[in-house]
Amino acid sequence: DGGITQSPKYLFRKEGQNVTLSCEQNLNHDAMYWYRQDPGQGLRLIYYSQIVNDFQKGDIAEGYSVSREKKESFPLTVTSAQKNPTAFYLCASSIVPGQGAHEQFFGPGTRLTVL
Amino acid sequence: AQRVTQPEKLLSVFKGAPVELKCNYSYSGSPELFWYVQYSRQRLQLLLRHISRESIKGFTADLNKGETSFHLKKPFAQEEDSAMYYCALGEGKLIFGQGTELSVKP
Repeated sequence: DGGITQSPKYLFRKEGQNVTLSCEQNLNHDAMYWYRQDPGQGLRLIYYSQIVNDFQKGDIAEGYSVSREKKESFPLTVTSAQKNPTAFYLCASSIVPGQGAHEQFFGPGTRLTVL
Repeated sequence: AQRVTQPEKLLSVFKGAPVELKCNYSYSGSPELFWYVQYSRQRLQLLLRHISRESIKGFTADLNKGETSFHLKKPFAQEEDSAMYYCALGEGKLIFGQGTELSVKP
């Protein structure tokens, strides 16, 4: 069940701490995405990257940061500035966007809980 | 602004009954629309996309530009259809609706 992996599965954080969520893919996809899933709100885009060393803010980027140093990896850091970080985080990847509709492949998710 | 609306949080039907999950969108231009599904303890995955005009697991969805809708339909629901369904709009970057939980009772 490879393709796109996320770790850890569960993560607990104390208030005031930064935490980093891992996302790795071996699908050779150029584009990667981070979403936050909350009950009743669907999936909301945090950040996305279409190419290495470049990324764009999504709809709810405040309090989050990302990097894209390698094609395979797109880690997400939840900073202490994020006011309500407890949520389920999903990473996804796809082939180059902007050339028609492409399927996004999703990871299994990381559930972050702030204590 | 681009938006996707799924008006029903929960839809409960009996096995064998028809099911329709509603999706409305706002988009200026030619939309690209998808339905994603998340079964219990499984990853979110693509169910179907409007450009394919295909039927997956008995589900179909027709794009109605006049009504700006992309409703998902199945004539006879099965218990294994119980899942969370998301309508999505976009190209590359996707905008998701709030999701509808479908519960099919025996």
